[in-house]
Order: sequence, then structure tokens, then C-alpha cells
Amino acid sequence: DQQVKQNSPSLSVQEGRISILNCDYTNSMFDYFLWYKKYPAEGPTFLISISSIKDKNEDGRFTVFLNKSAKHLSLHIVPSQPGDSAVYFCAASVVGSQGNLIFGKGTKLSVKP
Amino acid sequence: GAGVSQSPSNKVTEKGKDVELRCDPISGHTALYWYRQSLGQGLEFLIYFQGNSAPDKSGLPSDRFSAERTGGSVSTLTIQRTQQEDSAVYLCASTRDRGDPLQYFGPGTRLTVT
Repeated sequence: DQQVKQNSPSLSVQEGRISILNCDYTNSMFDYFLWYKKYPAEGPTFLISISSIKDKNEDGRFTVFLNKSAKHLSLHIVPSQPGDSAVYFCAASVVGSQGNLIFGKGTKLSVKP
Repeated sequence: GAGVSQSPSNKVTEKGKDVELRCDPISGHTALYWYRQSLGQGLEFLIYFQGNSAPDKSGLPSDRFSAERTGGSVSTLTIQRTQQEDSAVYLCASTRDRGDPLQYFGPGTRLTVT
């Protein structure tokens, strides 16, 4: 039973436009959410995170929105750049627990010039 | 400073052989995690070490898998009698301490069992 779901395996966006990556979760105990970016043959790198006490966190071109009632979060990238092409993983955890992250299956983003 | 390192980067082994994968966490990080990513899947938690405490092995898929962490630093994941379904990328991550959700990942070891 997947606790973190990324229902879109892939997304293609034109350079300069907005990319929206979605993530849903089922466990109401999750109180911290992270987005990781992964290039081929590299480990995931941390991108942005959000605590459940917030509904938005912004860092440059990247914004994460959290809707707790819907158990849904999204990552917005604007404007999208070709270098953003990668697999994006949504992850969730319970702060103060042992801390292992529960990951979605990832969404492969392709930004076309 | 140095990030998390893993070796080897690639490993091809025959079915039935044992393999050892190594992880060097970020210096000073007390918590260490092993995950694996099978083709088309997300990252699956395997095992967690925190300081000198007994590890949480709840994610290990079978008793062929084991891991140890020596001196609170380097960790080795061992897979005995490898099977083709063990083929995956094995990722190691470390954090400053227990409960810190921000994990730093190594580049992974791609294991192929033929």
C-alpha cells in the first residue's frame, strides 16, 4: 500500500513555462515533506521542503504548496529550464521518529528548449 | 566538505554470489540509512543506524540482507546468495541526527545480478 503517490510518471513542459508536479499521501501522521531531484547515475539531491504547519514554501524558482485537508502537495517550477529535466521524488516523514523517508515513485520532467 | 560516498559505483555479479556495498556518510552525521530503487519504483527503505543504537532492520526484504556500521561511521550492506530480483540501485543517506528529515544521499551502487 503506497503511502506517497506520484500519479504522473512523466511530464513534458516547454522552456519558460510552469512545471507542476503533484504528490498525494495517505498517512495523516506525516508532518514534513521534501522534494528531491535526481539525475541519471547520481543520488537524489534535496530541492525544497515544507513543514505541515505551513501551506507554502518558496525558494527562487521553486515553490511547494501543501493542502493538508486534501493530503496533497505540489511543486511548481517557474520558469522551467532545460537543466530542470530530471526525475523528481516526493518524500514524507514524521519528524522525531527514526526519520526514514517514504518516497513516491517519481515523476520524470522533460523541459524542451 | 565531502558528501556521502559509496563504492563500488557499479557491480555485476552472478546469481548465488555474495556482494558487499560500502557507504561513507558525511563526517559527523550520526544517522545512516540504506534504500534501494528498483526499476520504475521509488526508493524503498531498507535499514537505519543511529549512533551506537541497535539498527532498525524492519525494511530488509529477506534474511539474505544484512548491514553493519563500524565505529559509527562507515557502513557495509551485504547481500548473500544474490538473486536476480536483487538487481537495483542501492542508495545510502545520512543525516545530522535522528529525526532530522533532511537526508543527504550518495551516488548509489548499481547492482546487476545475472
